[in-house]
Amino acid sequence: GAVVSQHPSWVICKSGTSVKIECRSLDFQATTMFWYRQFPKQSLMLMATSNEGSKATYEQGVEKDKFLINHASLTLSTLTVTSAHPEDSSFYICSAHRQGVQPQHFGDGTRLSIL
Amino acid sequence: DAKTTQPTSMDCAEGRAANLPCNHSTISGNEYVYWYRQIHSQGPQYIIHGLKNNETNEMASLIITEDRKSSTLILPHATLRDTAVYYCIVRANTGTASKLTFGTGTRLQVTL
Repeated sequence: GAVVSQHPSWVICKSGTSVKIECRSLDFQATTMFWYRQFPKQSLMLMATSNEGSKATYEQGVEKDKFLINHASLTLSTLTVTSAHPEDSSFYICSAHRQGVQPQHFGDGTRLSIL
Repeated sequence: DAKTTQPTSMDCAEGRAANLPCNHSTISGNEYVYWYRQIHSQGPQYIIHGLKNNETNEMASLIITEDRKSSTLILPHATLRDTAVYYCIVRANTGTASKLTFGTGTRLQVTL
């Protein structure tokens, strides 16, 4: 089946630092990648949609200057949480989509803890 | 995308079939039904999807009613490893990627 790799799995850092999370589709080319955030005991919330070579589309309420998304190739998208603060602590999950009716496939998530 | 309604939680004995219902009464003609599950602290795992015909794969079966207003995911022989939150999502497929909107899902607990 389709494999999506997300790195790192978890990260702990000090308040004010920036954190980059990578999402790679290992065995298929993803025309679109999605970034989600999940707080404890809640469902996944879509943050942004990114297409290779173009600017990401952010959901309402998500700060584009704080959550920088780069989708440089058909197999790699990155999410950078800039100047992270404790309230940004969450479980961040990416997904990759090939085309059409094909399902999205998800990475295993990155648990981010900001001290 | 159409909204879905699922029971909050269900229990199932190991080895028995788990039948997870989903209501999507406002589904449109071009919307597919997708099922994912999320095991604790992992990303969602794709299970199965369908439009109007019943579907089966190595993981599960998907039964969609004739009017398409509801569906049932069937895990034929549940194991402890099937304990997870199961999400039913309807999504239009227009040739380009469209987002998935996750509801609260059904928390399935498989017990000995």
